[in-house]
Amino acid sequence: GDSVTQMEGPVTLSEEAFLTINCTYTATGYPSLFWYVQYPGEGLQLLLKATKADDKGSNKGFEATYRKETTSFHLEKGSVQVSDSAVYFCALSGGNTPLVFGKGTRLSVIA
Amino acid sequence: DAGVTQSPTHLIKTRGQQVTLRCSPKSGHDTVSWYQQALGQGPQFIFQYYEEEERQRGNFPDRFSGHQFPNYSSELNVNALLLGDSALYLCASSLGSGVDLKGNQPQHFGDGTRLSIL
Repeated sequence: GDSVTQMEGPVTLSEEAFLTINCTYTATGYPSLFWYVQYPGEGLQLLLKATKADDKGSNKGFEATYRKETTSFHLEKGSVQVSDSAVYFCALSGGNTPLVFGKGTRLSVIA
Repeated sequence: DAGVTQSPTHLIKTRGQQVTLRCSPKSGHDTVSWYQQALGQGPQFIFQYYEEEERQRGNFPDRFSGHQFPNYSSELNVNALLLGDSALYLCASSLGSGVDLKGNQPQHFGDGTRLSIL
């Protein structure tokens, strides 16, 4: 079945550092890909999405490009802030299937 | 504009008991999905409701059941609780026919209900 694998955390960075969180997927067909963020004590918020190959999703300085050839959707941000500290989930939804999530990557940004 | 609201926020039960969790979707949304998020894991799909019917179901036993009301709100019921049912239960709402689960209609999540089984 469909699955998502993302890098294990926790990831600890200094403020203004460059962020990459790797995500690869396995799916039949051409799924839509997502990054969700979960702040402490809260539900999930959609951060960005891409619905077809080579699409780039972007929001709040975060970017991810749908790479069909490498089945990847890595999350990047050029300069992280303390307020970016959260758990990040990569997810896919393919065909007539609901969201399938990775295990999440905890990011801590220190001042 | 109220987002997705879930109640209660926290709940403690003992093994063998039954529990009901509630969800009100975002205004204008007609589709509700439920997810279970165990500690340190990503959410796992339980089921989705549209037009008061269960449209899709994940790999969860029959102890997990649900309902959707005419006002689109939803309940998740879990019978014969096990220790392994301890988790954060998330409700997500979206607008759509319920058939298009590919994600073209974004899902909005509530803050969840934290269920602890003793």
